[in-house]
Amino acid sequence: AQSVTQPDIHITVSEGASLELRCNYSYGATPYLFWYVQSPGQGLQLLLKYFSGDTLVQGIKGFEAEFKRSQSSFNLRKPSVHWSDAAEYFCATANQAGTALIFGKGTTLSVSS
Amino acid sequence: DAGVIQSPRHEVTEMGQEVTLRCKPISGHNSLFWYRQTMMRGLELLIYFNNNVPIDDSGMPEDRFSAKMPNASFSTLKIQPSEPRDSAVYFCASSEGPRATDTQYFGPGTRLTVL
Repeated sequence: AQSVTQPDIHITVSEGASLELRCNYSYGATPYLFWYVQSPGQGLQLLLKYFSGDTLVQGIKGFEAEFKRSQSSFNLRKPSVHWSDAAEYFCATANQAGTALIFGKGTTLSVSS
Repeated sequence: DAGVIQSPRHEVTEMGQEVTLRCKPISGHNSLFWYRQTMMRGLELLIYFNNNVPIDDSGMPEDRFSAKMPNASFSTLKIQPSEPRDSAVYFCASSEGPRATDTQYFGPGTRLTVL
């Protein structure tokens, strides 16, 4: 069954520093992959998604992610973190039918000044 | 557009009571999803509808949970009777279509506390 794993529960990054959040997927074929962000007290917002094609995907808010089949990874990156990026980040994949999302447990990002 | 609207935002009830959560999807969206978020289990899909028809309810925990979508602009998730382990944040999401390639837009959630 499809699944995604986010190895880091909590990460703290200094404001202005670069960020990389890890996501590993398990699926034989090319998966559908997503990154969502959840700000405190809010619903989830899609940052970016990958279905096929160019393995480097650009998203909103200055985020990007790279699909690496050899590593079964889809890590989220941002070159310079802002305090407003503090939130919980979820990696997700689609179920086999391609109709529903399966989420990882999430990574909480804290930004220090 | 106002986005996905959920009500109430917070609900506190006592064990054994009936709880009804409400969702208004984005106008024009044909698919609606109900998720539950807990610390232990993370985000789980409970049920989803396409064109008001339930397509997959395999995530519904047990018979105490039921969901309806009487029309394209309204859905409810009911828990009867409620139990303390039902305490969670319940999200509703909608998308234009049922495929994973269709972006899901989430509501702000309903935080349910069952005492």
